[in-house]
Amino acid sequence: DTEVTQTPKHLVMGMTNKKSLKCEQHMGHRAMYWYKQKAKKPPELMFVYSYEKLSINESVPSRFSPECPNSSLLNLHLHALQPEDSALYLCASSQIDRNNEKLFFGSGTQLSVL
Amino acid sequence: DQQVKQNSPSLSVQEGRISILNCDYTNSMFDYFLWYKKYPAEGPTFLISISSIKDKNEDGRFTVFLNKSAKHLSLHIVPSQPGDSAVYFCAASYFGNEKLTFGTGTRLTIIP
Repeated sequence: DTEVTQTPKHLVMGMTNKKSLKCEQHMGHRAMYWYKQKAKKPPELMFVYSYEKLSINESVPSRFSPECPNSSLLNLHLHALQPEDSALYLCASSQIDRNNEKLFFGSGTQLSVL
Repeated sequence: DQQVKQNSPSLSVQEGRISILNCDYTNSMFDYFLWYKKYPAEGPTFLISISSIKDKNEDGRFTVFLNKSAKHLSLHIVPSQPGDSAVYFCAASYFGNEKLTFGTGTRLTIIP
C-alpha cells in the first residue's frame, strides 16, 4: 500500500464554520506533512510532524490547527477561515532517514471558503 | 526569496521528441533533488531524484542531470508521450532539513 488517502476531496465552508481535513497512510512513515497549494504556484509547506510530534510550523495562522492522533493519521482542523484560504490542501508522508525527502502525496482536498 | 527556480512556466513538445525541463537553485547547501509531476486537482507524484554525489540518474524514459558548479539540474523525457502532459516541479533539500523547497513549476504540453 503506497497510498496517502485524504478526505474529503472537496469542501465548501463559510467563514464561521469549523471543519476538519483528514489524512491517512499505512506505509509506516513517521513523518507527515501538510502543504497548501494555490493555482499556478508550488506547494507551500504548512506543518511537519515527526514521530507524532510537531517539528515545523511555518508561521501558519492559528485558524489552522494540526493534529497527529497516531503514526498513521494526520488531521487539519479549520476554524474561522478567510476566502483567501481557498486552496488545494495536500497531505504527504515520508520515511525519516537520509532520503526522507521523497514525499508521497495524497490527492488533496480542494477547499473553497465563502 | 525563491531558492529553487524554474524559469520556463510552460513548454510544448511534439510527441516522440525529447522534453527538457530546467531548474536552477541558489542555496549551496542543497544536496538532494527531486522531480515531481502533477495533474490538475491531484497531489504531486514523485518521478525521479538525484543526490549531489552523482551527476546523472536514469529511470526508464526519465533522466535527471545535475551540474553542481552551475547549480542547475534538468529533467529529460524521451520519447515524450501525451500522458506526460502535466506540471513538473523540481524540489530540493539538504541533510537534516525536513523541509522540501519546491520550484515554481513548468507546464509541459505534449502535442500529438
